[in-house]
Amino acid sequence: DVKVTQSSRYLVKRTGEKVFLECVQDMDHENMFWYRQDPGLGLRLIYFSYDVKMKEKGDIPEGYSVSREKKERFSLILESASTNQTSMYLCASQSQGAMTDTQYFGPGTRLTVL
Amino acid sequence: GDSVTQMEGPVTLSEEAFLTINCTYTATGYPSLFWYVQYPGEGLQLLLKATKADDKGSNKGFEATYRKETTSFHLEKGSVQVSDSAVYFCALKSRGYQKVTFGTGTKLQVIP
Repeated sequence: DVKVTQSSRYLVKRTGEKVFLECVQDMDHENMFWYRQDPGLGLRLIYFSYDVKMKEKGDIPEGYSVSREKKERFSLILESASTNQTSMYLCASQSQGAMTDTQYFGPGTRLTVL
Repeated sequence: GDSVTQMEGPVTLSEEAFLTINCTYTATGYPSLFWYVQYPGEGLQLLLKATKADDKGSNKGFEATYRKETTSFHLEKGSVQVSDSAVYFCALKSRGYQKVTFGTGTKLQVIP
């Protein structure tokens, strides 16, 4: 059974703190994604990675960075958390095969920045 | 660029009612189309998909047909259950690209 896990379900941080969100997949997928989910806005792509050490900006990368040192792990970093980064963060993975375009999601991390 | 527009919710239905959630899209070329579902407290999971015009995706009693002429992919179910209460997202992926574009989601509440 495919599995994407995220390091925390709930996280509370203070403004200005550095925050790490971790995501691990066990499907040997090449692609991994970080989204944030906000009411009325749906899912917005922050960053994605198509290979180890490779990354591309999504639609809303400002205030975030990512790291992919191993194929199975993709980290989202908030360099200096701000209250407008309070949100639900979803990680997903996907194979690069032409006919396998399904994304598999983790359960999400609800981050509150005070 | 690519975009997905789906009907705003919430949608409240009685058990055994007929469900339609509208979805239209804008994309270059011929994208693959998806419906994802998010149950309370969980991440998204694929419900169904279609990869070319006139294809019908189906799963768990839900259906959606890829209509190229109307650029639509409406989700339907003949008889909803309380357990179908969730948020439904329409999405597309253009060929040759790795990114998926999601709609804003439609919350469905089914009452007994």
